[in-house]
Amino acid sequence: QVQLQQSGPGLVEPSQTLSLTCAIFGDSVASNSGVWNWIRQSPSRGLEWLGRTYYRSKWYNDYAVSVKSRIVINPETSNNQFSLHLNFVTAEDTAVYYCSKGDFWSGFAYWGQGIQVTVSS
Amino acid sequence: QSALTQPASVSGSPGQSITISCTGTSSDVGGYYYVSWYQQHPGKAPKLMIYEVIKRPSGVSDRFSGSKSGNTASLTISGLQAEDEADYYCSSYTSSNTYVLFGGGTKLTVL
Repeated sequence: QVQLQQSGPGLVEPSQTLSLTCAIFGDSVASNSGVWNWIRQSPSRGLEWLGRTYYRSKWYNDYAVSVKSRIVINPETSNNQFSLHLNFVTAEDTAVYYCSKGDFWSGFAYWGQGIQVTVSS
Repeated sequence: QSALTQPASVSGSPGQSITISCTGTSSDVGGYYYVSWYQQHPGKAPKLMIYEVIKRPSGVSDRFSGSKSGNTASLTISGLQAEDEADYYCSSYTSSNTYVLFGGGTKLTVL
């Protein structure tokens, strides 16, 4: 059974970088079948897929157009986790952030517990 | 790109059946069999209930079923139970560079 455990700060100042980590238990970030995603949820924007990382003989990343210029998702194989870094945040980035295992076709089957991130000074 | 369209709320009595619709376009719901449904209780992460329009993950009750006609997908819950009261979200793969769209969510109230 896959379990995802998120960690990171709940408060980020405007224009700074939001950084979260998702630790994976029961699977490997470097598996040839897993796809590892970040999804956020806010009252104004609803559920919004942000990006993904996955390994298929080499590492791949895809990002949502809405955040493509500001986002980096990194796999961290030594700790079996993956991270989200969102730069130059504004109040619009205030949301609950989730990590998830899954894909666009068969759905997001496993989710982290979610972290409320507020962008405020 | 606009989110998929869901009714804001639906309600039903215990034992009844309800259906939640999810309307998109030929570029997403209508064009692919990649519609998923999620259940979300307050303060919890979404839970995958249906994927690829009609398939249920292991452990999901067979009271939950999915279907699709044209650009509209549907989630039906039969034999409503109090524990089904939650928010429900649809999602679909999209051929746009957005990759995946979510619906705005439907609040199910069990009367």
